Amino acid sequence: RKEVEQDPGPFNVPEGATVAFNCTYSNSASQSFFWYRQDCRKEPKLLMSVYSSGNEDGRFTAQLNRASQYISLLIRDSKLSDSATYLCVVNRASGTYKYIFGTGTRLKVLA
Amino acid sequence: DVKVTQSSRYLVKRTGEKVFLECVQDMDHENMFWYRQDPGLGLRLIYFSYDVKMKEKGDIPEGYSVSREKKERFSLILESASTNQTSMYLCASRTDRARGYTFGSGTRLTVV
Repeated sequence: RKEVEQDPGPFNVPEGATVAFNCTYSNSASQSFFWYRQDCRKEPKLLMSVYSSGNEDGRFTAQLNRASQYISLLIRDSKLSDSATYLCVVNRASGTYKYIFGTGTRLKVLA
Repeated sequence: DVKVTQSSRYLVKRTGEKVFLECVQDMDHENMFWYRQDPGLGLRLIYFSYDVKMKEKGDIPEGYSVSREKKERFSLILESASTNQTSMYLCASRTDRARGYTFGSGTRLTVV
């Protein structure tokens, strides 16, 4: 089993739709979780951290399910500009510097 | 905003050449990282440094070395470039373990 797994997509959704991605991780000792966004041929940029209680930033909501070992990202009212690849990032174990990146989920928002 | 600057956007090198990739950050971050990104494989950690002159191997250090003589600069060295090192190389920095990374814009290296 991969340490971090994501559905590669693409998820093709119309503007205004709500879309959700999941990311599963294998190490129950992981403590830090993030979502990054990567545009084509650009560097990844931090979208948001994921906190135990769940957190929201505008149209974006991130949640953590420790029991089932996954994190999720929900995007409401999708915009064309949301089209990108979304990378899930998990630290390998508590206290480690090593973060593992998922291979990403591609989102296309269609006009 | 933190800025992470990578010296070259595109590089073409010959097999067997020694290659230096430079990365500079301007926010006094302790931790710096080198990743490579390949289609289908995602980002893989090559080396990281948690302080000046400190370095640790990541998941794929073979064929690479690093140098961190100053806090703001972290260099990746390909001792003898090979075609399987053709990739996008991304440098990142962060202030501590709880924080996310800030990435540089990447260096697309082609080894011919």
